[in-house]
Amino acid sequence: RKEVEQDPGPFNVPEGATVAFNCTYSNSASQSFFWYRQDCRKEPKLLMSVYSSGNEDGRFTAQLNRASQYISLLIRDSKLSDSATYLCVVNLGSSASKIIFGSGTRLSIRP
Amino acid sequence: DTGVSQDPRHKITKRGQNVTFRCDPISEHNRLYWYRQTLGQGPEFLTYFQNEAQLEKSRLLSDRFSAERPKGSFSTLEIQRTEQGDSAMYLCASSSGLRRTEAFFGQGTRLTVV
Repeated sequence: RKEVEQDPGPFNVPEGATVAFNCTYSNSASQSFFWYRQDCRKEPKLLMSVYSSGNEDGRFTAQLNRASQYISLLIRDSKLSDSATYLCVVNLGSSASKIIFGSGTRLSIRP
Repeated sequence: DTGVSQDPRHKITKRGQNVTFRCDPISEHNRLYWYRQTLGQGPEFLTYFQNEAQLEKSRLLSDRFSAERPKGSFSTLEIQRTEQGDSAMYLCASSSGLRRTEAFFGQGTRLTVV
């Protein structure tokens, strides 16, 4: 089983739609979680951290469910510029601190 | 520019040759990571350092791969006797190592083995 698993997509949705991605992780000792965005042929960049209480940044909402070991990302009112690959990232934290990426979910927003 | 920098950005090499890549992390970051990424896949963990100590090396890495971070600052990744399957983007990232702190990536080195 992969340490971090995501649905690869692609998700193809119209502009203005709401889209949600899920990600599951296998190591219950994982301590911090992130969503990264990667544009074609570019390096990954942090989109947002994911906190236990859930957090929101504009149109983006991230949630963590430790009991079920999954993370979600919700994008509301999607824009053409949201088209990218979204990577789920897990950090084991403390002395382990290995950062593991999921394989990414491709999102394409159509006009 | 105080971000993570990688050199070279692109490398084309013949099969069987050795290649070396360099990564300069953000200066106050003590954690440095190497990843490999192929088309359609997420970054695949290769190895990471805390200061000069290499803490883990992926089982996916063959003995042809070696990484160093001699003074706890920049790092090098060497691939010996390159094979066509080594063609990929090699990404370096650094972080402060604190909890809940994200990693920052360089722009990567794209390796093509012909």
